[in-house]
Amino acid sequence: KQEVTQIPAALSVPEGENLVLNCSFTDSAIYNLQWFRQDPGKGLTSLLLIQSSQREQTSGRLNASLDKSSGRSTLYIAASQPGDSATYLCAVRTGANNLFFGTGTRLTVIP
Amino acid sequence: EPEVTQTPSHQVTQMGQEVILRCVPISNHLYFYWYRQILGQKVEFLVSFYNNEISEKSEIFDDQFSVERPDGSNFTLKIRSTKLEDSAMYFCASSVAALTEAFFGQGTRLTVV
Repeated sequence: KQEVTQIPAALSVPEGENLVLNCSFTDSAIYNLQWFRQDPGKGLTSLLLIQSSQREQTSGRLNASLDKSSGRSTLYIAASQPGDSATYLCAVRTGANNLFFGTGTRLTVIP
Repeated sequence: EPEVTQTPSHQVTQMGQEVILRCVPISNHLYFYWYRQILGQKVEFLVSFYNNEISEKSEIFDDQFSVERPDGSNFTLKIRSTKLEDSAMYFCASSVAALTEAFFGQGTRLTVV
């Protein structure tokens, strides 16, 4: 069964820093990987979708990378801002068309 | 920008009661999903729905759960006889096709007392 792990569980950084969030998954037979943002008590906002054939995907200050063979993805956030404070979830999509989620990394950007 | 909408945002129900959670997916999307998140735990897949039938379901989605698309816009999750352990945030999602980006609603927080 697919297991998705995110490290660290929590991260605090001063405003303006660049940071990397990590995601690992046990079964490399995935179709794609999706990164989400979740604000407290709120829904999931899709940030990036990276296909299994891609190595990178960029959206604004966000850059996601994928190394399918080693079962890893990273989300790079450039020039962090207090508004980036949220929990970031990665999820992998298998052939069954459902998402397996990680436990998330809770990010706090300190002004 | 089109979005998935869910109602109600919060529902409190007594154990043993039936609840219906409602969702309006994005209008041109063909695949619909329900996920749930128990407080402090991972988001978990419940069911996917396409062409008016269930396409996948998890082991969580047992006989007390059912889904329906009663008309061209709504997608519902029914829990027949709620248990305390059904307390969770329930998320509806939709995607334009299989294996594509899923867009989630804001969730319905279900509290069973």
